Amino acid sequence: TQLLEQSPQFLSIQEGENLTVYCNSSSVFSSLQWYRQEPGEGPVLLVTVVTGGEVKKLKRLTFQFGDARKDSSLHITAAQPGDTGLYLCAGERAGGTSYGKLTFGQGTILTVHP
Amino acid sequence: NAGVMQNPRHLVRRRGQEARLRCSPMKGHSHVYWYRQLPEEGLKFMVYLQKENIIDESGMPKERFSAEFPKEGPSILRIQQVVRGDSAAYFCASSSGRGARGQPQHFGDGTRLSIL
Repeated sequence: TQLLEQSPQFLSIQEGENLTVYCNSSSVFSSLQWYRQEPGEGPVLLVTVVTGGEVKKLKRLTFQFGDARKDSSLHITAAQPGDTGLYLCAGERAGGTSYGKLTFGQGTILTVHP
Repeated sequence: NAGVMQNPRHLVRRRGQEARLRCSPMKGHSHVYWYRQLPEEGLKFMVYLQKENIIDESGMPKERFSAEFPKEGPSILRIQQVVRGDSAAYFCASSSGRGARGQPQHFGDGTRLSIL
């Protein structure tokens, strides 16, 4: 059982389309990060959200943290071929001994066709 | 480049040999985390260290794996008597504090370990 369920696993769209990637859990997270990973490289941090209901924007990317801090979404407006890559959500579970330990979703492989 | 540095980038070992993976955190970071990415799987937490202390090793296999972060020098992930199933990408991350609220983890480019 995956603690963080990320969907969809694969996404293939045309340039200019909008898309949303979801990250869901039954557990509460004290924070949630979104990363992007290119082949042969490590994950690169895009954003951290820590407050329930928080919305952060990074150019054409909009990140939202659910009110109950159990889910998050990444929305890309007018996708471009340069957005192609693996997107990962990762969360730090609230309370207990999980402090500092990130739990990752399985990732979404996004392909944007010109 | 003041990012997280991992070396080697690629490491090939024969079954039964030892593998040593090194990680130098970002400047000013004293918290180090190791993750493993198996083929077709996501990143899995292995161990969390501060200088000279192991904080959480709940993701480490019980045998053959060990990690350290000495007072001086890089953090080391050591795998003894490697087996084929150890083939994976091993990533190190660092942060300036405990917990991600304003202190997120930044990742290195990983070490790709291949076992012959």
